[in-house]
Amino acid sequence: DAGITQSPRHKVTETGTPVTLRCHQTENHRYMYWYRQDPGHGLRLIHYSYGVKDTDKGEVSDGYSVSRSKTEDFLLTLESATSSQTSVYFCAISAGQLYNEQFFGPGTRLTVL
Amino acid sequence: AQSVSQHNHHVILSEAASLELGCNYSYGGTVNLFWYVQYPGQHLQLLLKYFSGDPLVKGIKGFEAEFIKSKFSFNLRKPSVQWSDTAEYFCAVKGNDMRFGAGTRLTVKP
Repeated sequence: DAGITQSPRHKVTETGTPVTLRCHQTENHRYMYWYRQDPGHGLRLIHYSYGVKDTDKGEVSDGYSVSRSKTEDFLLTLESATSSQTSVYFCAISAGQLYNEQFFGPGTRLTVL
Repeated sequence: AQSVSQHNHHVILSEAASLELGCNYSYGGTVNLFWYVQYPGQHLQLLLKYFSGDPLVKGIKGFEAEFIKSKFSFNLRKPSVQWSDTAEYFCAVKGNDMRFGAGTRLTVKP
């Protein structure tokens, strides 16, 4: 257990509304990641952070923004949710040898109607 | 660009059968390799990893994987599966960044 929590765990929202997902970690990990998981695609990286206020885009960043104002919190925002953003969202941290191992949070299931 | 391919979308086995799940990747440089397991309704958990050294790595719950550099492969094996191994299995490769395969769903019939 890497001390990662995500909130909310489930959310249903409507198209066009803003949504913010929170990832919280308690072990002072530097690197944090947001992935989305969709059938047939595995996990795809949305954004990642390598420190406070240091973030970068991943493979599928369009329509998403992130913020990291504190080491322990990494927020993912959908500015205007669309049905294509219905997915399960996982937060992860890097730890272990050369920070090459990733450990995942419990996930947030988001449904956009 | 880096990519990961898992050959089997869904595998169905009876208990005590042997398992081999395929994983191939494309990347020209040094890689770290991982297998993750996701039990129904849960998050991904690390099953095993390869960084360097012996290409045959052993993980938790009796799983092992072999890195064959010449084939760009990292196949997962288990000699005798149990009903509790029913889950989705993801291969992941870290080169420049971490990429995941699409996953293989394993169903073990009791």
